[in-house]
This record gives sequence, C-alpha cells and structure tokens, in this order.
Amino acid sequence: DAKTTQPNSMESNEEEPVHLPCNHSTISGTDYIHWYRQLPSQGPEYVIHGLTSNVNNRMASLAIAEDRKSSTLILHRATLRDAAVYYCILRARGGSNYKLTFGKGTLLTVNP
Amino acid sequence: NAGVTQTPKFQVLKTGQSMTLQCAQDMNHEYMSWYRQDPGMGLRLIHYSVGAGITDQGEVPNGYNVSRSTTEDFPLRLLSAAPSQTSVYFCASSYSSPGVTGIGEQFFGPGTRLTVL
Repeated sequence: DAKTTQPNSMESNEEEPVHLPCNHSTISGTDYIHWYRQLPSQGPEYVIHGLTSNVNNRMASLAIAEDRKSSTLILHRATLRDAAVYYCILRARGGSNYKLTFGKGTLLTVNP
Repeated sequence: NAGVTQTPKFQVLKTGQSMTLQCAQDMNHEYMSWYRQDPGMGLRLIHYSVGAGITDQGEVPNGYNVSRSTTEDFPLRLLSAAPSQTSVYFCASSYSSPGVTGIGEQFFGPGTRLTVL
C-alpha cells in the first residue's frame, strides 16, 4: 500500500486558517486521497476526499498537487472544536481494497 | 437514523474469557468493518465484510471472529481474551466499497473500550 507522511503535530490559533500537509510520493493513479479526523474519545469522522482536482465541502478544502504526490487539508477558520487528530489516507480504487489504512496522523491543537 | 451503534461502551474481561462486541447500523450499508486502536497508534483493521454472508480478514485478525448474517449487524467475537487485546474497538460502515465508486465515506461508531486483565 502506498504510504502517507504527516507531521506529528501542528498548532493553530482560533479563527485562523490551518493548512495540514500530507506527502504521498508513491501514490498510484487509482488512489483516492481521503481525510478523516478523530476528536478526543470519539470515533473517526470523514472530512473530505479527492482524486485529482481540488475539492471543497462544508467542513474543509482539499488541495491536491498537480503531480498528486502531496495534498493539503485546509480548515478555513479553525475553531476549538477542530482540535483533533487528522489522518490522511490513500484508498485504492478497484479490486478488493476496501480498507482504510490509518497512520499516526497529525495532532492539531487550536489555541483560543 | 441512529447511525452506527456499538455495545457495550466499556467492558472488563479476565484472561481466557470470551465475549461479543456488538455493532449495528441502520443506513443499509453494505460494507462494515472492525478496527482496534491502541495508545499512540492509528487504527488497525481487524475484519471486514462487503455484504451479508461475506467476511474477510484485515491486518490483525488473530484472536477474533466475525460473521455477517444480516446487513445491519456485524458482531466481533473474542474467542479467548488476552491482555494484548486491551484496546478501543471501533466499528465502521459505508454505503459502498470505495474500490467501486470512490465514494466510500465511512461512518464510525463511538467505540468500545475493552480491558483484559
């Protein structure tokens, strides 16, 4: 499976934008890029996913590099509720690859 | 919709005991899976199912059994509990396999915190 690399931790101030990076230099052409987050004492929560083009939803934006070897999750205005571990995950399309392979993720701290 | 529900929320077992962690979803999802999460680590896939009657192993299946007799339920059985199985267990479901459509947003339950003494 293609691997992802994320910083162990990042810090942000409330109401400021946050850019969470993810490197996936061995990504294949059929891999989707997914982001999940896990708030303290809760199960993971889907945030966003994309293949090649940048994506936006109500929670965040996903910027994907042109060569797809890296991506950035963008929280436009961080709130205290956004403090969580953020996971960048590659999911292969096709075949029988149904699983999510979680790494250690990035622990985001949001300061008031 | 209740989403993905898990019972119990907490459980303490003695080594050698068996038990079943329950997972149910009311979203008519085909795909369901079990993960475990240990301190300082990400989630690891134990078993998964792509539909009723179909199950397969994930990364860390040893010591666990699953079955999928209905679309809604996906119980996880610990055959003979060991201290190494102390963990938080999460059940997840999704409407379709991501491999087919690329959608595959997974919905996670609140978790079961298991301690094996």
